[in-house]
Amino acid sequence: NAGVTQTPKFQVLKTGQSMTLQCAQDMNHEYMSWYRQDPGMGLRLIHYSVGAGITDQGEVPNGYNVSRSTTEDFPLRLLSAAPSQTSVYFCASSYVAGAGVEQFFGPGTRLTVL
Amino acid sequence: KQEVTQIPAALSVPEGENLVLNCSFTDSAIYNLQWFRQDPGKGLTSLLLIQSSQREQTSGRLNASLDKSSGRSTLYIAASQPGDSATYLCAASGGGSQGNLIFGKGTKLSVKP
Repeated sequence: NAGVTQTPKFQVLKTGQSMTLQCAQDMNHEYMSWYRQDPGMGLRLIHYSVGAGITDQGEVPNGYNVSRSTTEDFPLRLLSAAPSQTSVYFCASSYVAGAGVEQFFGPGTRLTVL
Repeated sequence: KQEVTQIPAALSVPEGENLVLNCSFTDSAIYNLQWFRQDPGKGLTSLLLIQSSQREQTSGRLNASLDKSSGRSTLYIAASQPGDSATYLCAASGGGSQGNLIFGKGTKLSVKP
């Protein structure tokens, strides 16, 4: 198993540009989520999904869209990038969302918005 | 709203020392407490997960404990090594959406040879 994979590893955008951060897992996990990590703020939840076709907002969803058309993929879209979205983005997954279920993280995407 | 705090923010110890990292949380209605390790510029590696019904979990030189009544978890590292140098994060899950993790800001550990 490749686990949780994320592409790209690094990205530089200009303000106003759009892009999609890709996340995929090959473990047949139902639960997937996106976090951003900022210095001094820790990791914060952006969006999550408990299964294909089902998504919901986390703590900091503004400026981001998600969809979940397959179990394997959970892309994160920035429609109009802003400097405040400069961050490291992590995707995570687990078999289900529940007690005793371990979550696994991808290697991250480091995004800079100029 | 759940809040997770890790103290100290940074810790430096000589090689071979046993050490304890602390994690506290405000809402005892958690399902899991998960400890992660993060190396500079890297992703998160899961170390240990403790269910709310458990008191501790062990893996090699690592032992994590959970005390829901006091809102605390500790990560004990025995016989520390320079390779243990990293940032250690704890995260609690529970509440309305069981999978969503609330993270502490981490403890940066440096083990000196």
